[in-house]
Amino acid sequence: GQQVMQIPQYQHVQEGEDFTTYCNSSTTLSNIQWYKQRPGGHPVFLIQLVKSGEVKKQKRLTFQFGEAKKNSSLHITATQTTDVGTYFCAPQNQFYFGTGTSLTVIP
Amino acid sequence: ETGVTQTPRHLVMGMTNKKSLKCEQHLGHNAMYWYKQSAKKPLELMFVYSLEERVENNSVPSRFSPECPNSSHLFLHLHTLQPEDSALYLCASSLDRASSGNTIYFGEGSWLTVV
Repeated sequence: GQQVMQIPQYQHVQEGEDFTTYCNSSTTLSNIQWYKQRPGGHPVFLIQLVKSGEVKKQKRLTFQFGEAKKNSSLHITATQTTDVGTYFCAPQNQFYFGTGTSLTVIP
Repeated sequence: ETGVTQTPRHLVMGMTNKKSLKCEQHLGHNAMYWYKQSAKKPLELMFVYSLEERVENNSVPSRFSPECPNSSHLFLHLHTLQPEDSALYLCASSLDRASSGNTIYFGEGSWLTVV
């Protein structure tokens, strides 16, 4: 099945540091969604990006869709312990998820 | 409460057992999915049902057998599983199978251990 690659696979940050995860596809995407899965939990929808170059913000989270619609990023400013979890991108129309980035925040 | 309910939440079964996982969605969605999530692995799509018809079978071994009696219910029948099948099995649903803008809603998952 089709999958997109996410980097990094794991990231440990000190609380207060910034964090970014990248989602890369070899094909042009019609849109992309981001999900968060807390440890022991299930994936929960965060946001959807549709337009080329689109940038959306949710408090400390900034989501970006590349101009070519082949990549996307999620940036968290000043991480908190509540940000811990695995972040997945999901190119829609495919229902396949990216490989995920597991974020650990060290208090 | 996600609108997608899975039972049981935890299951331990022997390799010769037959068991089933159940999923029910209360969202009025037309598409339902089974995903497998193992430790340190990405979410693996197993099956997709749209309006009770199986539309995708992602090379899943025949020891996993899905059943979708109606658009609100989805089962995963398990038979002669292997220890490597131990994983979190996630059921999900969306309004339609592959339309732009569909959000996928996940259940809380069924933790399966094969001994």
